[in-house]
This record gives sequence, C-alpha cells and structure tokens, in this order.
Amino acid sequence: RKEVEQDPGPFNVPEGATVAFNCTYSNSASQSFFWYRQDCRKEPKLLMSVYSSGNEDGRFTAQLNRASQYISLLIRDSKLSDSATYLCVVNNDYKLSFGAGTTVTVRA
Amino acid sequence: NAGVTQTPKFQVLKTGQSMTLQCAQDMNHEYMSWYRQDPGMGLRLIHYSVGAGITDQGEVPNGYNVSRSTTEDFPLRLLSAAPSQTSVYFCASSSGPTDTQYFGPGTRLTVL
Repeated sequence: RKEVEQDPGPFNVPEGATVAFNCTYSNSASQSFFWYRQDCRKEPKLLMSVYSSGNEDGRFTAQLNRASQYISLLIRDSKLSDSATYLCVVNNDYKLSFGAGTTVTVRA
Repeated sequence: NAGVTQTPKFQVLKTGQSMTLQCAQDMNHEYMSWYRQDPGMGLRLIHYSVGAGITDQGEVPNGYNVSRSTTEDFPLRLLSAAPSQTSVYFCASSSGPTDTQYFGPGTRLTVL
C-alpha cells in the first residue's frame, strides 16, 4: 500500500467554482502535512502546511483528520491560474512521502 | 539569491555509464534531499542529508550514491545507469524536514 494516496482526477471546473479533494495516508505516526503545487512537471512549490485545527490561506482551506488519516484541500472561487497538480505530502521523522498528485483544470 | 540549482537540466546516458547530478543551495539549509518523479507515481525519496557529513537512505536508494562534504552541495551519483533510472530528478533543501522544501528545477535523465 502506498504511504500517501490521492485521487488523480482530473477535476475540470469552471472559473469561480469550488473544488475539493482529499488524500489519505497510511502511517498513523506521521507528524506533519503539506500541500504542494506543481505546474507542468516543473519543480513543486509549497502551497500550504496543514494543521490539526484546519487552516486557510486566502481561497485555499486545508483540513486534517488524524482519526481517519486523511487531509483535504478546498479551493474557493477557482481562477484559471489554479490549474495545476496538487501534491499531498506527509512527513515521518526525516522522510517526506508524496502522493502522486491531483490534477485540477480550471476552464474559462 | 539563486536558491537551489541543479545541473545538468537534461542528460542522455547509455546503459552502464556513470554520472553525477549536481545540486547546490545558497540558503545555508541543513536538510537536503533527492527525489525521482515518474509518471503516475509521485516523487520518491532517494537519499537525504540532515547536515554535512550525514546522509541516509530514502525509499528508493539502490543504484545511487550521495555524499555531503559541504552544507551547500549534495551530488547524486549513478554508478551504472540502467533504463529503469530514466526519470526526472529533483533536489530539495530546507531548514528541516518539517519546513518549506525548496526544489531545484530538475534534471531530466534518459538512459538508453
């Protein structure tokens, strides 16, 4: 079983829509959690960290459910520039595990 | 401020050849790591280092060696290239594994 699993999508949504997707992780001892964004096979860049209490960064909201071992990302008021692959990342000790990514395409 | 740099950007090797992928960072980060990214599989950790002189294996270390003689540099060596090592390789650095990972632009390697 993969350490981090994501729905690959693609999620194809119109501008202004809300889109949400999850990832699940297998190691209950995982310590920290992140969402990264990757454009067209370029290098990944940090979108946001994910905290137990949930957190927002502008139009992006991340939630962590430790009991069910899943992390979610919600994007409100989607923009064309949100089209990308979103990578779920989980840290165990000094090792980061990446999901394969969820592809989001926002259309005009 | 260059951030994380990787060379070369593209490389084609023949089976059995060896080569070194270079990675350097100018942010004085202690933690550095190498990943490979294959279609549909996400990034997989090859090796990582928590400081100069200290390295450890990640998820897929076989066929790769690393060393960390300075804080700035973390080269990845392919000892005898195989077609299965065809991939995109990313180097990353950070203050620690729970901090923002800064990635280099990647090296696209093809082994024939």
